[in-house]
Amino acid sequence: DAGITQSPRHKVTETGTPVTLRCHQTENHRYMYWYRQDPGHGLRLIHYSYGVKDTDKGEVSDGYSVSRSKTEDFLLTLESATSSQTSVYFCAISESATGNEKLFFGSGTQLSVL
Amino acid sequence: RKEVEQDPGPFNVPEGATVAFNCTYSNSASQSFFWYRQDCRKEPKLLMSVYSSGNEDGRFTAQLNRASQYISLLIRDSKLSDSATYLCVVNIRNDYKLSFGAGTTVTVRA
Repeated sequence: DAGITQSPRHKVTETGTPVTLRCHQTENHRYMYWYRQDPGHGLRLIHYSYGVKDTDKGEVSDGYSVSRSKTEDFLLTLESATSSQTSVYFCAISESATGNEKLFFGSGTQLSVL
Repeated sequence: RKEVEQDPGPFNVPEGATVAFNCTYSNSASQSFFWYRQDCRKEPKLLMSVYSSGNEDGRFTAQLNRASQYISLLIRDSKLSDSATYLCVVNIRNDYKLSFGAGTTVTVRA
């Protein structure tokens, strides 16, 4: 299995608080992604990174920010959590970004915003 | 219209049966297609890519029908361990952004 660690695995927080989720990889892959998964929806891309300090928005980026200061770490921050951000968050990595490569996923973070 | 659509199921089948399901996609120009498997409360994992001519991987067969814009997955001789949700993934715009279907749930019973 690819070396991807997400933390925390579970988080319960209150509306309006900031939350940071961490993704750590040991594969030295250049590309990292944050997705959210909700019932009835496929995984939706929040943000992705194509290198240290290089990030871009995905399809559901409102209310989220990211940072990547090292190759191995990709942080997702919910600036002011809302109940609509209750979801399962997955980090993924890939060696390239042509759309033909295999994605490796972390184990996910279950976030509940009350 | 969603970019990638799947029948959510569930498909409940006995061990040893064959089960097949489809996934439709919105862009006829899409070039890359995949099936991922996701076990309950786990992360998705790549099951197989889907090639234009169709391809097999053991008991799994994937097909692409460009004219009707769908891909299919067939599982032969189903095992209990095949119980999972199968995610259809399409590179809709032929860039780095993959589009995921919501998944088809398969339950294999003894």
